[in-house]
Amino acid sequence: LAKTTQPISMDSYEGQEVNITCSHNNIATNDYITWYQQFPSQGPRFIIQGYKTKVTNEVASLFIPADRKSSTLSLPRVSLSDTAVYYCLVEDDDYKLSFGAGTTVTVRA
Amino acid sequence: NAGVMQNPRHLVRRRGQEARLRCSPMKGHSHVYWYRQLPEEGLKFMVYLQKENIIDESGMPKERFSAEFPKEGPSILRIQQVVRGDSAAYFCASSIEESETQYFGPGTRLLVL
Repeated sequence: LAKTTQPISMDSYEGQEVNITCSHNNIATNDYITWYQQFPSQGPRFIIQGYKTKVTNEVASLFIPADRKSSTLSLPRVSLSDTAVYYCLVEDDDYKLSFGAGTTVTVRA
Repeated sequence: NAGVMQNPRHLVRRRGQEARLRCSPMKGHSHVYWYRQLPEEGLKFMVYLQKENIIDESGMPKERFSAEFPKEGPSILRIQQVVRGDSAAYFCASSIEESETQYFGPGTRLLVL
């Protein structure tokens, strides 16, 4: 049973806000939600992590509803350089990160 | 503060040869993880090491693959007698503690001819 489900792809334009929703119906009490970004020919880069409600850093915001069965990564005012694959991970203290296919976000001028 | 370093970035081998991939973790990090990414797929966990110890190698193929993280020097992922199916991107990550955020290197792209 897949831990997370997220859209395969999303298109956007420069300056818009991009919201990527991830479903994790079987999330456990100890699980955290983590997002990574990966550019072509590079390793994944940690973006943000949260447990509940809202988390914000200089790059993105993460919204988590009370039931924690989904979460939304919000990228404000995207630019062309935000074109990448975004991975939603649900992890407890396990070090074995489980990456799915991710969401390919394409930002156009 | 340098990030995780991997070399070589690209490696071409013929079937039957050996491939050695190196990973230097971030300064102060003693936990190293190796992942493999096949084309159009997500990363798959292979092995977790601490200095001089293999903690978990459950994701690594039983044959031809081995990993080490010596007291001095980088972590090494070694693939003996490579086959075409070994062609993939191999990423190394490191963390300061076991359950802390993993920081990834740029990867080594292995092509087996």
